[in-house]
Amino acid sequence: SAVISQKPSRDICQRGTSLTIQCQVDSQVTMMFWYRQQPGQSLTLIATANQGSEATYESGFVIDKFPISRPNLTFSTLTVSNMSPEDSSIYLCSVQEHHTEAFFGQGTRLTVV
Amino acid sequence: GQNIDQPTEMTATEGAIVQINCTYQTSGFNGLFWYQQHAGEAPTFLSYNVLDGLEEKGRFSSFLSRSKGYSYLLLKELQMKDSASYLCVLTGTASKLTFGTGTRLQVTL
Repeated sequence: SAVISQKPSRDICQRGTSLTIQCQVDSQVTMMFWYRQQPGQSLTLIATANQGSEATYESGFVIDKFPISRPNLTFSTLTVSNMSPEDSSIYLCSVQEHHTEAFFGQGTRLTVV
Repeated sequence: GQNIDQPTEMTATEGAIVQINCTYQTSGFNGLFWYQQHAGEAPTFLSYNVLDGLEEKGRFSSFLSRSKGYSYLLLKELQMKDSASYLCVLTGTASKLTFGTGTRLQVTL
């Protein structure tokens, strides 16, 4: 299993600002992912964080809005840029080895005002 | 692409058995997960099926039929703490997960 520390757990931000979310894993993992969960909905994959190269974004998500870093096999960050109220959501990082269960951080509850 | 269909809400009585169904269409299948998510918390792993048949783990069982694109999660001896959302999740290529919209289960006395 993997233990994931994600922070901040919650934040209230002004529109137009940016927030960086950090995800630290207690072991080296191949696959790290970032998800968004909007109120009352299920999880949507934002991107796959690739170690040493640019992240792979899903349809509807772009690097300028959600820049991601993955400097090593235990750490990643997601930045939500130029925020608007529509970005209010829970953001979760996840780790997974090939075709095994995924483990999730506790999530970051973001409110944009 | 992938498409997952599961009921939005279900209600069951404490001590009863409930079955949550999931149907799916996918172009590349590498397994199906069930996750539990309590309100305000991260999802937690319940089960994984990659071959047809039933996987049993305590009060929880999960079934898969790949030819029918169908799975179910069976919860026995329901407890109040089982009130949560249950997510049917497909894993495809590159281990990417696709989440269903979730079934919100309410357990009543």
